[in-house]
Amino acid sequence: IQMTQSPSSVSASVGDTVTITCRASQDISRWLGWFQHGPGRAPKVLISDATSLQNGVSSRFSGSGSGTEFTLTITSLQPEDFGIYYCLQVKSFPLTFGGGTRVEI
Amino acid sequence: EVHLLESGGGQVRPGESLRLSCVTSGITYSDYSLNWVRQAPGKGLEWVSSISPSGTHGYYADSVKGRFSVSRDDAKKSLYLQLNSVRAEDTGLYFCAAAICRSGDCYTFDFWGQGTPVTVAS
Repeated sequence: IQMTQSPSSVSASVGDTVTITCRASQDISRWLGWFQHGPGRAPKVLISDATSLQNGVSSRFSGSGSGTEFTLTITSLQPEDFGIYYCLQVKSFPLTFGGGTRVEI
Repeated sequence: EVHLLESGGGQVRPGESLRLSCVTSGITYSDYSLNWVRQAPGKGLEWVSSISPSGTHGYYADSVKGRFSVSRDDAKKSLYLQLNSVRAEDTGLYFCAAAICRSGDCYTFDFWGQGTPVTVAS
């Protein structure tokens, strides 16, 4: 299953809303997670099951979609949101990540 | 608190072998699939391998199939990745990650380690 993520990079200001999209090459239902990866840090899960916010993650992050189209939305962007965001499909092996979206503040 | 700690990375020559380890703590070990993900320099995340909670089933990316082998040790709550016949393109930071499994379905990667670096160069 191929995961096509867009945009590859986005530049935004503090307070903006950013939307990232992942498109699956076939139906993956809601078997999708979103991750934030900062430089020199372990990736951090933000969203599981396409829409479930993980414990401790800011409510500024939200996920939507099912089937083949998925969206991660970050509202009221903060400086600590800088980093690279990835989607990951866990519907079937081989598991596949999207290509990543670099968010620059 | 959950911790995953990788070790075993280093510099090796093409064709050589290396064994990576990942010790887990703070999770109900038997409820989690364990996974390896790598990041080549300047590239994105790439899934490498997964092993089921029971250790019965291992899965591999096509790029490493036949060369890498995944295993887990319940007593040590550890995950391993044996890298054989390494290539320059295996260079990268290798992360271990844990995914909760329920009723045979495994979900996304809840917990990650900090990674261990592997460099393949002559």
